[in-house]
Amino acid sequence: GDSVTQMEGPVTLSEEAFLTINCTYTATGYPSLFWYVQYPGEGLQLLLKATKADDKGSNKGFEATYRKETTSFHLEKGSVQVSDSAVYFCALTDYKLSFGAGTTVTVRA
Amino acid sequence: EAGVVQSPRYKIIEKKQPVAFWCNPISGHNTLYWYLQNLGQGPELLIRYENEEAVDDSQLPKDRFSAERLKGVDSTLKIQPAELGDSAVYLCASSLEIGRYDTGELFFGEGSRLTVL
Repeated sequence: GDSVTQMEGPVTLSEEAFLTINCTYTATGYPSLFWYVQYPGEGLQLLLKATKADDKGSNKGFEATYRKETTSFHLEKGSVQVSDSAVYFCALTDYKLSFGAGTTVTVRA
Repeated sequence: EAGVVQSPRYKIIEKKQPVAFWCNPISGHNTLYWYLQNLGQGPELLIRYENEEAVDDSQLPKDRFSAERLKGVDSTLKIQPAELGDSAVYLCASSLEIGRYDTGELFFGEGSRLTVL
């Protein structure tokens, strides 16, 4: 079935560092791709999405581009803040939403 | 606007005891989901409701798990009897979906953390 594989964590960064979290997918059709984020003590929330190849999703300084040729949807942010510390989940849906295992990111001041 | 509300936030029980979780979705959301999240893993779908109809319960262990959404609004997930391996976070989510295919834009509650001793 359709699935995503994302970079294992945990990832620890200093403030203002560049963040990349890798995500690759396996799908038989043409899925939509998502990044969800879970801040400490809060529920999962949608961070960004892309619905077709070459689409770029962006939100809160984060970006991810739907790359069909490499079946990837890597999450990037150019300058992280302490408030970006969270667990990030890559996900896809062709007809049913499936999540990756999550990557824990800690940003130090 | 209120988000998805779940209760209880935390529950500790002994094995073989029953437990129930409650979820109130965002007003007007027709689709409601229950997910299971084990430590260090992503959420896994247990059941998906479209209004009051369970349209996907293929991953729900029906020997001990049950769920209902009688009036198509709030929902209850029950485990009876609980086993040690049921210790996890139970997430509820809701969305406005057209048809039976996920658009992927779900709104999640904070989850109910179950510990079975």
